[in-house]
Amino acid sequence: QQPVQSPQAVILREGEDAVINCSSSKALYSVHWYRQKHGEAPVFLMILLKGGEQKGHDKISASFNEKKQQSSLYLTASQLSYSGTYFCGTDPGTGNQFYFGTGTSLTVIP
Amino acid sequence: NAGVTQTPKFRILKIGQSMTLQCTQDMNHNYMYWYRQDPGMGLKLIYYSVGAGITDKGEVPNGYNVSRSTTEDFPLRLELAAPSQTSVYFCASSYSIGQGASGNTIYFGEGSWLTVV
Repeated sequence: QQPVQSPQAVILREGEDAVINCSSSKALYSVHWYRQKHGEAPVFLMILLKGGEQKGHDKISASFNEKKQQSSLYLTASQLSYSGTYFCGTDPGTGNQFYFGTGTSLTVIP
Repeated sequence: NAGVTQTPKFRILKIGQSMTLQCTQDMNHNYMYWYRQDPGMGLKLIYYSVGAGITDKGEVPNGYNVSRSTTEDFPLRLELAAPSQTSVYFCASSYSIGQGASGNTIYFGEGSWLTVV
């Protein structure tokens, strides 16, 4: 039930770009993205609903391909503040459970 | 605005002891969740609730119990604590009508660090 994320970890230099992928074995109604700093609770980034939409704010955006049951998070021109663990969360739209992915650790270095 | 409040923040339990993690939200959310997060790992769903009086199991419910007598409160009970229950526990809530939790932000509490020795 838990979606799979890739890569597991990535190290970037400031200004570089990264893509984090989230893949589910179930059909999805929506995908959420969250970022968690060490020792803190996850914080909401964005939600994408069924319909294949793409969203973004600032230099972080995401896409959702419902046919492939996949979502990708794009971080461009990374900043030190982007460091943390990124989780996707998936809702199949049936029942009421909500599952988080395996997580991707992102480290941005100067 | 308090949001989702969890207590206690830290707790050490001995094997076999029981305890309750408290969770309260003041946003009038209908959905509430309990997750556990083991070191360096993702969040696993323990139990969830879609409204007062309604609870259901998630991925890893064994060793835990929940109740939802009011919209605001969703306590998690650990019975007969075991070392495998050493983890960080997050309570979360969201508001949703219609199809599951889709389309609405999930708000998290600050977490409860539990160690079983």
